[in-house]
Amino acid sequence: AQSVTQPDIHITVSEGASLELRCNYSYGATPYLFWYVQSPGQGLQLLLKYFSGDTLVQGIKGFEAEFKRSQSSFNLRKPSVHWSDAAEYFCAVGLTRGGSQGNLIFGKGTKLSVKP
Amino acid sequence: NAGVTQTPKFRILKIGQSMTLQCTQDMNHNYMYWYRQDPGMGLKLIYYSVGAGITDKGEVPNGYNVSRSTTEDFPLRLELAAPSQTSVYFCASSRPKNIQYFGAGTRLSVL
Repeated sequence: AQSVTQPDIHITVSEGASLELRCNYSYGATPYLFWYVQSPGQGLQLLLKYFSGDTLVQGIKGFEAEFKRSQSSFNLRKPSVHWSDAAEYFCAVGLTRGGSQGNLIFGKGTKLSVKP
Repeated sequence: NAGVTQTPKFRILKIGQSMTLQCTQDMNHNYMYWYRQDPGMGLKLIYYSVGAGITDKGEVPNGYNVSRSTTEDFPLRLELAAPSQTSVYFCASSRPKNIQYFGAGTRLSVL
């Protein structure tokens, strides 16, 4: 069965430090991959997506992610974290291009705290 | 730019009561979804719809019902609310084979 694993439940980084959030997936075919961010009390906002092509994808707010097929990973990175990045981050796998038809599978999320 | 709108934002129910969570989208998306989010568990799909008059079960449909009479609206019905249904509920919509857009959520407590 398809699954998404985010190994880190909670990460704390200092403002200005670099960030990497890990995501591993289990899926037999080429997946469609997404990172969403959820600020407290808000819905989910798409940060970036990977469908095909260049394995390094750029997203909003200065985030990027790299698809590594050999490691079944899609880790999210940011070179310098801002206090406003404190939120919960969800990795998701779609079995179709956009995760439509009800088949978007989410990881359990990683909560990011940013210290001054 | 309303996007996906959910009402109410918060609700407290007593065990055995029923209620309807409303979801409407103004993007003319055919596909709509209901998820629940429990702490530390990510999002689980409850029901989805690929168009007016068509609905299907997701991963955790028990205790819920949906209908889709129009493209815009996709209400979620809870009958005989139970404490296990305490959660945050998210509605989403998308075009076929495209990105899902989420509402701000409804926080429900069943006491």
